[in-house]
Amino acid sequence: EVQLVESGGGLVQPGGSLRLSCAASGFTFSSHWMIWVRQAPGKGLEWVANIKEDGGEKYYVDSVKGRFTISRDNAQNSLYLQMNSLRAEDTAMYYCARANFGSGSHHYDYWGQGTLVTVSS
Amino acid sequence: DIQMTQSPSSLSASVGDRVSITCRASQSISSNLNWYQQKPGKAPKLLIYAASSLPSGVPSRFSGSGSGTDFTLTISSLHPEDFASYYCQQSYGTPPRTFGGGTKVEIK
Repeated sequence: EVQLVESGGGLVQPGGSLRLSCAASGFTFSSHWMIWVRQAPGKGLEWVANIKEDGGEKYYVDSVKGRFTISRDNAQNSLYLQMNSLRAEDTAMYYCARANFGSGSHHYDYWGQGTLVTVSS
Repeated sequence: DIQMTQSPSSLSASVGDRVSITCRASQSISSNLNWYQQKPGKAPKLLIYAASSLPSGVPSRFSGSGSGTDFTLTISSLHPEDFASYYCQQSYGTPPRTFGGGTKVEIK
């Protein structure tokens, strides 16, 4: 059974840092792109970042470029999101998800339950 | 970046109704369009991928259509468990992979 379990969320002051983790099991982690998606309270989904199977390609939404870093450890079946210089607008539930490729399109077929990040003084 | 516009942002419908949600891309994305369903307090769930393909386990009352810039998610007959929010998402070209703003389907 595919499982994704996020951790590392919490309350942090503006300007602070936090590192989110996503532990994967039940599939060959090193064979899939992985992503982070966030959702501010009462708002829609926002794609944040993704990372290639071997970590060799990474992409970010403009609002987090230079502040967030996505990474992975295929030996540990883990995905990470290092978040620096946090702002109030980064407050959200953060989900990790597995990317799959079918019918010529990438899509996200398994999601974790999310970890809540609150940026406030 | 490619912008995704969903409409309506919310709708009220009754059990048994046929419901359609549209999603428009700011440029052609071929068939690189996915739909997700999200219930309150839960993670999103993949509903449709590549514009019209159903993952295993998704009921056949859900269908997707379209290509290029205009897409539609249709629920042929609303079930009580279908009251939720729905999001489109493009996966064309170089990321970022943007989501639409969402459509909340509520009980009339």
